[in-house]
Amino acid sequence: GAVVSQHPSWVICKSGTSVKIECRSLDFQATTMFWYRQFPKQSLMLMATSNEGSKATYEQGVEKDKFLINHASLTLSTLTVTSAHPEDSSFYICSARETGTSNQPQHFGDGTRLSIL
Amino acid sequence: SQKIEQNSEALNIQEGKTATLTCNYTNYSPAYLQWYRQDPGRGPVFLLLIRENEKEKRKERLKVTFDTTLKQSLFHITASQPADSATYLCALAPPGGGGNKLTFGTGTQLKVEL
Repeated sequence: GAVVSQHPSWVICKSGTSVKIECRSLDFQATTMFWYRQFPKQSLMLMATSNEGSKATYEQGVEKDKFLINHASLTLSTLTVTSAHPEDSSFYICSARETGTSNQPQHFGDGTRLSIL
Repeated sequence: SQKIEQNSEALNIQEGKTATLTCNYTNYSPAYLQWYRQDPGRGPVFLLLIRENEKEKRKERLKVTFDTTLKQSLFHITASQPADSATYLCALAPPGGGGNKLTFGTGTQLKVEL
């Protein structure tokens, strides 16, 4: 089955640090990947849609200069949280849709737990 | 924007019984609706997808219904087992699929007891 690998699974760092999270589709190509954020006891909130070879599309209220997204290949998208602060602490999850499969289920990574001290 | 409501309180049932989870939505009818399972500290795992022109879908012990008039989907797990304990999320795609931009509910936590 389609596997999405997310790395790292857990990060603790000091306030002001920039953190990069990787999302890889291991056995399929993904033109489109999605980045979500989930706070405890809350639903997944879509942050941005990442498109290979083009700029990401951000949801309303998400700062594109703070959450930098790069989708340089058909199997890798990265999310960089720049100058992270304690309020950025959350569970970040990526998902990928196999190229050519519109309106089909997304495949999710196992998330990255980000804790900013 | 779409608003999705799922039972906010945990659902506790006995092993062997059928668990029924509810997903209600407002506004537009989605192109399709999906159910995911999420375990603590893990990403969601896809379970079932039902399209707007379908009323029911089954997969092994799972069954999903979709009533666009009531704006509701029901998710059933028959012969439930303790291993079914998890949080179940429903997710909706806007009309036309919307590029797969899903809106998720907050999920319902299911606990299956021996």
